[in-house]
Amino acid sequence: QKEVEQDPGPLSVPEGAIVSLNCTYSNSAFQYFMWYRQYSRKGPELLMYTYSSGNKEDGRFTAQVDKSSKYISLFIRDSQPSDSATYLCAMSANSGAGSYQLTFGKGTKLSVIP
Amino acid sequence: DTAVSQTPKYLVTQMGNDKSIKCEQNLGHDTMYWYKQDSKKFLKIMFSYNNKELIINETVPNRFSPKSPDKAHLNLHINSLELGDSAVYFCASSQVPTNGDTQYFGPGTRLTVL
Repeated sequence: QKEVEQDPGPLSVPEGAIVSLNCTYSNSAFQYFMWYRQYSRKGPELLMYTYSSGNKEDGRFTAQVDKSSKYISLFIRDSQPSDSATYLCAMSANSGAGSYQLTFGKGTKLSVIP
Repeated sequence: DTAVSQTPKYLVTQMGNDKSIKCEQNLGHDTMYWYKQDSKKFLKIMFSYNNKELIINETVPNRFSPKSPDKAHLNLHINSLELGDSAVYFCASSQVPTNGDTQYFGPGTRLTVL
């Protein structure tokens, strides 16, 4: 079993739809949970960051973490064509000496159709 | 201003050659990383490095070696290139310790080995 599982999609939705992206993980040591957005032929950029369980909202984006279920989600409200990208979940645990290693999911490719 | 930059953007070379990719960050971060993203978009850590410690992913062949002339630079040297090395290589940086490990990525170097 991979440490982080993410459905690669592709996921295609009409403009204005609510999008739900999810990841599951197996390592209970993960403490920090992130979502990165990667446009085609670009580097990943940090979109949302949460620590431990709970919700975090930023504009049209909401990140949820349920540590008891080892499940994280990213919701996008009123999706726009500019949201079309690959979304990668990532999580980290202390790997010793105060450093952290990120483990990424495989990414979900999202297309928002006008 | 570009926070994390990489050169070259594209690199096409023959099997068996030795090549280098350069990375620079102007964020004042302490830690830099190299990732490999394969054709299936899976992003995998290769190295993390700060002025105290080099952490190597044990799956990385020893043909790959990071070289850091100073805190703002982490170059990647690859010896005896193989077909399977074809991928996009991303450099990233973060300030450690921080809230987990929020990393900032460069634009990537697309390596093609013929």
